[in-house]
Amino acid sequence: AQSVSQHNHHVILSEAASLELGCNYSYGGTVNLFWYVQYPGQHLQLLLKYFSGDPLVKGIKGFEAEFIKSKFSFNLRKPSVQWSDTAEYFCAVNGVGSNYQLIWGAGTKLIIKP
Amino acid sequence: KAGVTQTPRYLIKTRGQQVTLSCSPISGHRSVSWYQQTPGQGLQFLFEYFSETQRNKGNFPGRFSGRQFSNSRSEMNVSTLELGDSALYLCASSHGTDINEKLFFGSGTQLSVL
Repeated sequence: AQSVSQHNHHVILSEAASLELGCNYSYGGTVNLFWYVQYPGQHLQLLLKYFSGDPLVKGIKGFEAEFIKSKFSFNLRKPSVQWSDTAEYFCAVNGVGSNYQLIWGAGTKLIIKP
Repeated sequence: KAGVTQTPRYLIKTRGQQVTLSCSPISGHRSVSWYQQTPGQGLQFLFEYFSETQRNKGNFPGRFSGRQFSNSRSEMNVSTLELGDSALYLCASSHGTDINEKLFFGSGTQLSVL
């Protein structure tokens, strides 16, 4: 069965620090990978996605993620965080052939100290 | 373009009761999926409807059911409520024709079972 693991449930950083949020998945075949973000009081929204091509994917607000197939990972990165990045971040995976069912990680709450 | 609308925003029920939640997708979207979100658990997939047909179903008991109408609006029903059903229920819509599409989420219905 597919599963997604996000290693850190809570992360606290100061502004301008670099960010890396881990995401590992288990699925034997081809995958589509997503990062969604939920800012306080707002809807979940797509940050970035990978489905083929360049394994380094750039998303909105300066975020990027790298798909490393050999490690079953899709870590989210940002070189310098801002206070406005405070949010909950979710990694999600869709195994190609598993229809439209996304499997989600438990989420990482990121708090940026001003 | 109006976003995904979920009603009601909050619900308080007692054990044993049943509840119906509503979701109106973005105009033109034919796929509606439902998720249960609880702290520390991430999003758990309930089911997905496309053009009035249930296309996918998660691992929830039969007390959880749904349907989709010809205008793509969807309802989710939970019968014989249990305390553990307390959660934020999210719906998301998309065109439903491409497995890589991003999902557009509503604000959710916060259900409390007493």
